[in-house]
Amino acid sequence: DVKVTQSSRYLVKRTGEKVFLECVQDMDHENMFWYRQDPGLGLRLIYFSYDVKMKEKGDIPEGYSVSREKKERFSLILESASTNQTSMYLCASTERGFLMNTEAFFGQGTRLTVV
Amino acid sequence: DAKTTQPTSMDCAEGRAANLPCNHSTISGNEYVYWYRQIHSQGPQYIIHGLKNNETNEMASLIITEDRKSSTLILPHATLRDTAVYYCIVRVRGTSYGKLTFGQGTILTVHP
Repeated sequence: DVKVTQSSRYLVKRTGEKVFLECVQDMDHENMFWYRQDPGLGLRLIYFSYDVKMKEKGDIPEGYSVSREKKERFSLILESASTNQTSMYLCASTERGFLMNTEAFFGQGTRLTVV
Repeated sequence: DAKTTQPTSMDCAEGRAANLPCNHSTISGNEYVYWYRQIHSQGPQYIIHGLKNNETNEMASLIITEDRKSSTLILPHATLRDTAVYYCIVRVRGTSYGKLTFGQGTILTVHP
């Protein structure tokens, strides 16, 4: 039973292209996250969203933007792709919990290569 | 933000207990400790979490020290399928919206 779905598993784009990575969750979660994962650096938070049309910068937002027009969908946008954005991108979602004790569900990841 | 420190890598023999440590010396009183793992080519998977009491579920046990400055994830009988990167994280204080910040994790290798 798939809970968090990322639109592409593998993607190859050219430098300068505008790239959209899509993520959909079917659990009615309020919070959604985008991470990138690189060898030796672990998961780094790019952006997160806690409600429709709301977004907050994570630790490495430069070169990225996001869109949350519907609760179930969170898009990551690379306005002008560069080779240093070659990475594994992971989407996640959680319920909004006051006690912050809810687990996160992750998608399978999108391996993006910018050439 | 409460940050975590984990060893870069660990080895464990199949069938033995794997004990993965995590330091979180700046943890705040209402912050939870979470553990996730990531098997190669998959997204991270939730394992367990706790506040101050020890916790156990079907996957693992979590031991948190009394001062809450460190914790240990225990896989009681490690199998080859437990080979993965294990992340210890602390939920960030200051927002009710649940920002999740991961570190580099521990690469656990279970060998025959």
